[in-house]
Amino acid sequence: QVRLEESGPGLVKPSETLSLRCTVSNSSLIGSYYWAWVRQPPGKGLEWIGTIFDSGDSYYTPSLKSRLTMSMDTATNQFSLRLASVTAADTAVYYCARLASVVTASVGGFFDVWGQGTMVTVSS
Amino acid sequence: DIQMTQFPSSLSASVGDTVVITCRASLSITTYLNWYHQQPGKAPKLVIHPASSLQPGVPSRFRGSGFGTDFTLTITSLKPEDFGTYYCQQSSNLPLTFGGGTRVDIK
Repeated sequence: QVRLEESGPGLVKPSETLSLRCTVSNSSLIGSYYWAWVRQPPGKGLEWIGTIFDSGDSYYTPSLKSRLTMSMDTATNQFSLRLASVTAADTAVYYCARLASVVTASVGGFFDVWGQGTMVTVSS
Repeated sequence: DIQMTQFPSSLSASVGDTVVITCRASLSITTYLNWYHQQPGKAPKLVIHPASSLQPGVPSRFRGSGFGTDFTLTITSLKPEDFGTYYCQQSSNLPLTFGGGTRVDIK
């Protein structure tokens, strides 16, 4: 059974960098899947943050692109997110997810496995 | 960005009812439309992709249809575990975008 688990601090101060890690079990980061982050502000809907694949390439949502870095470590089967200069608007539950696709990472993708999510609050 | 609009935003239904949720894209996404179900405090779960294929393990009372800009998710014989919020998501173009959600409550 494929399992994803997010880890990282639950509280980040404004203007600092939010760092999260996703540990993947029973599915290799190398291969036919892609790996993504999705967030959900309290009481609101879902927002795709970005997708990374085993080549190291990545796609980011335009609104976060200037502050966002995603990376992966195939040796430990983990991938990570770093979001710089955070504000209260970045307060959300952050999910890591596996993206399968019938076409490519940018077309035809669907999130078939999700982590349980981790709440990150931006506050001083 | 492709805007995804869901309606209704919420509805009340009883166990055994049939529920129809609509998702409209701001431009054609052919069949690149997925549906997710989220229960309170839990991660979303994939229900249908793309447009009409059931995710393995999802019961046949769920049905997706549509093409282009208009899509529907139909749930027949509603069960207690079906309550929660449903989201559509397009994967025709980046950035990937979700609809605002449809909350299905118990009447």
